[in-house]
Amino acid sequence: SAVISQKPSRDICQRGTSLTIQCQVDSQVTMMFWYRQQPGQSLTLIATANQGSEATYESGFVIDKFPISRPNLTFSTLTVSNMSPEDSSIYLCSVVQQGAGEQYFGPGTRLTVT
Amino acid sequence: EDQVTQSPEALRLQEGESSSLNCSYTVSGLRGLFWYRQDPGKGPEFLFTLYSAGEEKEKERLKATLTKKESFLHITAPKPEDSATYLCAVQYGGATNKLIFGTGTLLAVQP
Repeated sequence: SAVISQKPSRDICQRGTSLTIQCQVDSQVTMMFWYRQQPGQSLTLIATANQGSEATYESGFVIDKFPISRPNLTFSTLTVSNMSPEDSSIYLCSVVQQGAGEQYFGPGTRLTVT
Repeated sequence: EDQVTQSPEALRLQEGESSSLNCSYTVSGLRGLFWYRQDPGKGPEFLFTLYSAGEEKEKERLKATLTKKESFLHITAPKPEDSATYLCAVQYGGATNKLIFGTGTLLAVQP
C-alpha cells in the first residue's frame, strides 16, 4: 500500500486565518480525496482532488472555503480559509492506487481553531 | 436516503470474549464495503474489502462477512491490542471511488 504523509500533524490557529495542509504520497496514485472528521464523529468527504483540474466538492463544501490543489500524481493541498471554531476537526487525505479498489488514509492533521 | 449504520456504538469485552460488530447499509448498487480500524489520533487503517453477498475475509482474529443488507466483523478471542474504533464504509453507484462512512464502533478489550 502507498505511504502517505501529511503536514502539519497538528496546529492551533486563530479565528479568521487560513491553514494549508499538505498530503504527500510515495507513489503515483489515480485518485486523492480530502475528508473531515469532527470531534466524536465519523469521516465526511470534502472533495475529490483532481490532477490538473478543479476539485470536485461534495454537498455542503465550497471552493472558497476549502480550496484544493493537486499539481501532480503524488501531492495535494487543502486550505481551510477564514477559519472559525466550527472548523476544528481532523483533516485526512486518502488515495486510491491504479487498479485497486482500496482507499488508504494519511495520519491526519488535527486542527484547533480558537 | 443512502446511509450506513453501525452497531453497537460502543462495546466492552473481556480478553478472549468473542463478539460481532454490525454494519447495515441502505444504498443502491453496492460496489464494495470496506472495514477500517482507527486508533486514537491516527488515520483509518484498511482491513478488508467485500464486494458481493456471501463473501468472507479473515485476518488474524478478525473475520468480515457480507450479506445483501449488512456486514459483520467477527472478533474471535480478542486481545487488549484490538481496542480501537472500527469503521465501515460503502462505495456505491457510479464510477467514482467515494466512500460513505458509518459512525463507528468503539471497542474496548479489557485484560
